[in-house]
Amino acid sequence: GQNIDQPTEMTATEGAIVQINCTYQTSGFNGLFWYQQHAGEAPTFLSYNVLDGFEEKGRFSSFLSRSKGYSYLLLKELQMKDSASYLCAALDGATNKLIFGTGTLLAVQP
Amino acid sequence: DTGVSQDPRHKITKRGQNVTFRCDPISEHNRLYWYRQTLGQGPEFLTYFQNEAQLEKSRLLSDRFSAERPKGSFSTLEIQRTEQGDSAMYLCASSLVGLYTPGELFFGEGSRLTVL
Repeated sequence: GQNIDQPTEMTATEGAIVQINCTYQTSGFNGLFWYQQHAGEAPTFLSYNVLDGFEEKGRFSSFLSRSKGYSYLLLKELQMKDSASYLCAALDGATNKLIFGTGTLLAVQP
Repeated sequence: DTGVSQDPRHKITKRGQNVTFRCDPISEHNRLYWYRQTLGQGPEFLTYFQNEAQLEKSRLLSDRFSAERPKGSFSTLEIQRTEQGDSAMYLCASSLVGLYTPGELFFGEGSRLTVL
């Protein structure tokens, strides 16, 4: 089966660091994506991990452990504009279909 | 090419009417996906195409839903005899899948359907 779990909501303070966790179970696995989605807008790509370890892109970095079925997204130096939903998605290796979690709604407070 | 475009952006219809959404993917992309998203949820997979072939259709799609991609370019998603439960954002995405590309999905802005 396929299952993606991530927290529903998180709150953090401007300038701080926040970690959003994701666990996944898929019948085949070919990578883990993180997308950002602001209210009323389309999801936009943030990061992709296929091997264990970190990927860094500016203030955003992501980590993957394939053996544990676990990933996290790390956001540094939080800004108010980072308030959004963060979607974890696993790529099914057999079908190349992207399966999404429900998203984590992050609220950044002053 | 400026990305994936969808039309219309908003559609309000009465229950029982038919609606059709159009998606124009990024031109060099070979895969096209349809997802549905309701408030507070992540996108749910509906169906996808490799060029003009429809490769998979989710169990979420009843017989009232049909999707086509006749020439491997744009795609249409039609919902017949709409029901209030069909109210959602319908997202289209495209990707380039190859030996060295992971198939990152690029999403359109979505078509929001409201069934009264």
